[in-house]
Amino acid sequence: KAGVTQTPRYLIKTRGQQVTLSCSPISGHRSVSWYQQTPGQGLQFLFEYFSETQRNKGNFPGRFSGRQFSNSRSEMNVSTLELGDSALYLCASSLVGVGSDTQYFGPGTRLTVL
Amino acid sequence: LAKTTQPISMDSYEGQEVNITCSHNNIATNDYITWYQQFPSQGPRFIIQGYKTKVTNEVASLFIPADRKSSTLSLPRVSLSDTAVYYCLVVSVGGSQGNLIFGKGTKLSVKP
Repeated sequence: KAGVTQTPRYLIKTRGQQVTLSCSPISGHRSVSWYQQTPGQGLQFLFEYFSETQRNKGNFPGRFSGRQFSNSRSEMNVSTLELGDSALYLCASSLVGVGSDTQYFGPGTRLTVL
Repeated sequence: LAKTTQPISMDSYEGQEVNITCSHNNIATNDYITWYQQFPSQGPRFIIQGYKTKVTNEVASLFIPADRKSSTLSLPRVSLSDTAVYYCLVVSVGGSQGNLIFGKGTKLSVKP
């Protein structure tokens, strides 16, 4: 069974731009959650989508948004990029959801904001 | 939401047993303790999860005392490939929603 895939793997943007990251979950998984990892703050939960609905959200500004499609694939969007948004963005999928189920993480997208 | 505290780093040698302790004083009744392992430039990987007493799988053991305010991940006979960051999480489940709160993790360095 294929694992969680994320595209692109690396991305360089400049301040003020926006970016869209993509995550394809393991086949059959309906939950996709997103995380930001930085050296200073560690791994932080962004939000979770289940059956195309956001059902849980971390403490991030509204510039961070996401959506999930009917095939469970998910996208995360960050608008008006700031230098501090440079991070490794990870997505994870599971059958039932965060807290109820083992999370399978993808390799991440390394975003650099210049 | 329960916060976890674990050592920032640990050193060990190949073949030794490694025990990483995590403190979670504010754990709630419905919370589970979960451990993940992360290698550089990769996403975390699930190791083990437990609610109380002892859980063992092919990779590790998890010991949870009766008060559940701490837990210990035990890695038997570590090898160089076990060098990674280990995260202890208290998984809080509220209805159909949940939260994953990762602490800073413990950086384990295994030496030959």
